[in-house]
Amino acid sequence: AQSVTQPDIHITVSEGASLELRCNYSYGATPYLFWYVQSPGQGLQLLLKYFSGDTLVQGIKGFEAEFKRSQSSFNLRKPSVHWSDAAEYFCAVGEGRGSTLGRLYFGRGTQLTVWP
Amino acid sequence: DAGVTQSPTHLIKTRGQQVTLRCSPKSGHDTVSWYQQALGQGPQFIFQYYEEEERQRGNFPDRFSGHQFPNYSSELNVNALLLGDSALYLCASRTAGETQYFGPGTRLLVL
Repeated sequence: AQSVTQPDIHITVSEGASLELRCNYSYGATPYLFWYVQSPGQGLQLLLKYFSGDTLVQGIKGFEAEFKRSQSSFNLRKPSVHWSDAAEYFCAVGEGRGSTLGRLYFGRGTQLTVWP
Repeated sequence: DAGVTQSPTHLIKTRGQQVTLRCSPKSGHDTVSWYQQALGQGPQFIFQYYEEEERQRGNFPDRFSGHQFPNYSSELNVNALLLGDSALYLCASRTAGETQYFGPGTRLLVL
């Protein structure tokens, strides 16, 4: 069965420091992978996605993620964190392909706190 | 261009009552999915609608039902509410092969 694991429930970093949020997935075929961010009381905003091709994908707000098939991982990175990045981050894997893309399986999220 | 919109933003119900949540997809999108996000958890898939039919369903009881209208908007209905139904309900829309875009959600509190 498909599943997503985000091993870090809470991460604290200082403003300006680098960031890496971990995500491991279980999926039988080549996955569609996503990172979403959720600010308090808000819905989910897409940061970036991986469907195929280059395994290093760039997203909004200076985020990037690298797909590593051998490790079943899709870790999110940012070289220098801003206080406004404090939020909850969700990794997700999509079931199906193309027009049949169906449900998303989400991890339980990683809460990011940024110290000034 | 408006994104995904949901109504109401918040509501409070008591156990045993019924509730209807509404979603208008992003312009040009024809597929709508609903997710339940309990406090401290990731979103859980409830079901997906396309061409006014339920295409896929997650592991939710029959108390959860939905509908999609010809204009692609959708409703989520929950009958016989339980305390455990308290959550943020998220609607997401997409068109063929594209990413899902989420609305701001409806926060339901069951007392």
